[in-house]
Amino acid sequence: KAGVTQTPRYLIKTRGQQVTLSCSPISGHRSVSWYQQTPGQGLQFLFEYFSETQRNKGNFPGRFSGRQFSNSRSEMNVSTLELGDSALYLCASSLGLAGPTDTQYFGPGTRLTVL
Amino acid sequence: GNSVTQMEGPVTLSEEAFLTINCTYTATGYPSLFWYVQYPGEGLQLLLKATKADDKGSNKGFEATYRKETTSFHLEKGSVQVSDSAVYFCALSDREGGSTLGRLYFGRGTQLTVWP
Repeated sequence: KAGVTQTPRYLIKTRGQQVTLSCSPISGHRSVSWYQQTPGQGLQFLFEYFSETQRNKGNFPGRFSGRQFSNSRSEMNVSTLELGDSALYLCASSLGLAGPTDTQYFGPGTRLTVL
Repeated sequence: GNSVTQMEGPVTLSEEAFLTINCTYTATGYPSLFWYVQYPGEGLQLLLKATKADDKGSNKGFEATYRKETTSFHLEKGSVQVSDSAVYFCALSDREGGSTLGRLYFGRGTQLTVWP
């Protein structure tokens, strides 16, 4: 089975611009979660989508948004970029079921640099 | 709430040394526990997991036992290799669902460097 894929792998943007990142989950997985990784804050949860609906959201401003398509692929968007948005953005997919066996598998990440 | 505390690094070892990375957790429910590993420039790879008390997860010579009484999930390996150099993350998921569905709670990560 193919793993989680993320595109693009690297992005350079300037302050004030917006950016869209894409994530394709493992086949059969219906849940996609997004995380931001920075040296200062570590891994922080952004949001999770399941069957095209946002089920959970972390503590990030409204500039961070996402969506999920009927094929479970997900995109996240960041508007009005700030320098502090520079980070590695990771997505993870899982079956999305409550219970002990659900496991998240991560993609390689998108490295966003804001200048 | 849910949280994970793991030992701060960096940890530097010689090849074939014994490794322990401590991880303790706080959870409102009865979580599943994970160790992920991140190699330079890459995403997170699942290393091992455990879903109930006294379960031992193992993979590639690494082991961790789910200890409910001490709320711990320490990672161990008997003989490390240079190729084990990476950052290791302890994480939990709250199996109760609801507002925590789809969310992993991570420790800050421990950088391991193994010298030949």
